[in-house]
Formats: sequence, C-alpha cells, structure tokens
Amino acid sequence: QVHLVQSGPEVEKPGASVRVTCKASGGTFNTHGVTWVRQAPGQGLEWMGRIVPVIGVVNYAQRFQGTVTFTADKRTNTAYMDLTRLTFDDTAIYFCAATVTRGVGYMDVWGNGTRVTV
Amino acid sequence: VLTQSPGTLSLSPGEEATLSCRANQRITANYVAWYQQKPGQAPRLLIYDASNRATDIPDRFSGAGSGTDFTLTIASLEPEDFAVYYCQQYASSPGTFGQGTRLAT
Repeated sequence: QVHLVQSGPEVEKPGASVRVTCKASGGTFNTHGVTWVRQAPGQGLEWMGRIVPVIGVVNYAQRFQGTVTFTADKRTNTAYMDLTRLTFDDTAIYFCAATVTRGVGYMDVWGNGTRVTV
Repeated sequence: VLTQSPGTLSLSPGEEATLSCRANQRITANYVAWYQQKPGQAPRLLIYDASNRATDIPDRFSGAGSGTDFTLTIASLEPEDFAVYYCQQYASSPGTFGQGTRLAT
C-alpha cells in the first residue's frame, strides 16, 4: 500500500513561488501516477493536473497552465509541485494523491495535505 | 461539468442516503469515482468505475449509474458517515470534481 507524506505549511508573499513535496513509501511511482488537487478555504476540490512518472506524461488543468509545474524523481519516489507567481487566490491546501491511471485517473491514496498561505 | 445534488442532505443514523452526480455529457467507460471528506482530513476514495468499492470500504456504500447520471447510496447511515461527498470524472482531462454534497444530521 502506497503511503504519501507531504511537506509542511508554507507562507509566501504575492508574486513568489512555492514548492510542495510529496514522498511515497510502501510503493513506487512505477505503478501509480500522482495527481495534485487543491482546496481553497471552505471550498470544494479542484483538480490541478497529474504526472505519470513511469512514462513521463504530464497533464495540467487549463487554468494552471504556465503557473504550475509537476515533476517526479523515480529514484526517491518523490513528486514535486512548483507554483509560481502566487496570488491571494492560491491560498489553499494542496493534496497529492496516488493515481490509478485509467483515463486521467482516480486517486486511491491521498497525502496529508500542505497548507499554502499567500 | 459535474453537478451534485442535493447540496446538503439532512438525515439521521440508520436512514439511507442517496446522492446524485450528473454530467453535462456522457462519461466514457463510466469513469466516475466518489470520495468522502471529513473536516480537517484528506479525501478518501469510496467508489471507482462508478460501482466498484475501494479497498476496506464497508458494503453499505454502493455506486451505480452510467452515461451521465450516477448515484452513491449509503444504506443505514452510521455516525461516521456524516461528511462531504464528491464525485469525480476521470475519463478526460481535466479530471473534474462535482461541487460536493454535505451529509448532515
């Protein structure tokens, strides 16, 4: 069973960048993709995109094109989300999730979430 | 676009809950998942492929539907079932979520 541990909370100024880390244990990125989902305060879930490390595929939701980058290190089973040009609207909890890659994938194991405050 | 209804469903333990998720176009292969989220926690996968229960999910949770209309049914509600439920389509990018249904006592 994959277990995901995310990096700690971040506080950033508008215009800055932030990196969120997601480390997998008990499994590898050879069997799963990684989806990133965010949740603004009091709001629902928003699909940001996914990366499939074993085949190097990355998909971004259109609204995040140009401001977010997903990468992964297969050697350390760690995924990264870099979010640039932060605005107040980027204040949210960011989740990574191990993804079964049928279609763009459903998320069967979730990280603990990382709070980013802008 | 996925539309969930109702926005809030008020029921009591022991009752049955039926949550709806409607898509504005047919979802290929019924690639619909349902998640449960409790306050301060990450979501948890309940159902995938519209009707398959995820690992360790009690059999009081069931999913059904095809095409554009999908339902999550929770038979005989337990106190721990009161939470927010989201559907998600993963047939195509972006893997959109519905806006959620809050199940309240």
